Amino acid sequence: DTAVSQTPKYLVTQMGNDKSIKCEQNLGHDTMYWYKQDSKKFLKIMFSYNNKELIINETVPNRFSPKSPDKAHLNLHINSLELGDSAVYFCASSGFLGRDTEAFFGQGTRLTVV
Amino acid sequence: AQTVTQSQPEMSVQEAETVTLSCTYDTSENNYYLFWYKQPPSRQMILVIRQEAYKQQNATENRFSVNFQKAAKSFSLKISDSQLGDTAMYFCASVHCCGAQKLVFGQGTRLTINP
Repeated sequence: DTAVSQTPKYLVTQMGNDKSIKCEQNLGHDTMYWYKQDSKKFLKIMFSYNNKELIINETVPNRFSPKSPDKAHLNLHINSLELGDSAVYFCASSGFLGRDTEAFFGQGTRLTVV
Repeated sequence: AQTVTQSQPEMSVQEAETVTLSCTYDTSENNYYLFWYKQPPSRQMILVIRQEAYKQQNATENRFSVNFQKAAKSFSLKISDSQLGDTAMYFCASVHCCGAQKLVFGQGTRLTINP
């Protein structure tokens, strides 16, 4: 069973379109995250949710809207896609980070905007 | 603010050799955790090893060990008897114990193990 699964794995779309990436975790974790990995492989947090509540929003354009229908799911919707949105987007989940657990990552969604 | 710096963009060693990847970090907190994650070509992020800042003993996991120097804010990863499967991007990361937790990553080091 995949612990953190996100779909799709690959997404190619045109500028201006709207797209969504879905994420589900079956680990019973309270916290879920979206990270963006750019073309230089740099990983940066975008959002975190704890029990469906938005905790972290790291100065991400408001074209990006996360939604957490329940604590096992965190989706990312992107409006009016731009070329600069091309990246790999990782979903992750965790309990209390560090002492008891690590963050578990999905396999990433490679988004290409053309 | 947390920052993590990996100063070696790329490294390359022969199979069976030992390699050390460097990482420095900056934080004003006393209670934090440090991690090394591995990202092979499959793109999956895999935890290699973790260290709790309040523990002086360096963490080890089989062939992987860290050299944690708290005063110097240094957290290097040593891979012994390197294997071809160790070829990957390696990311150092930190997280504060409390408040809104987030992993802050370094820029990554691309490690290649040559046969």
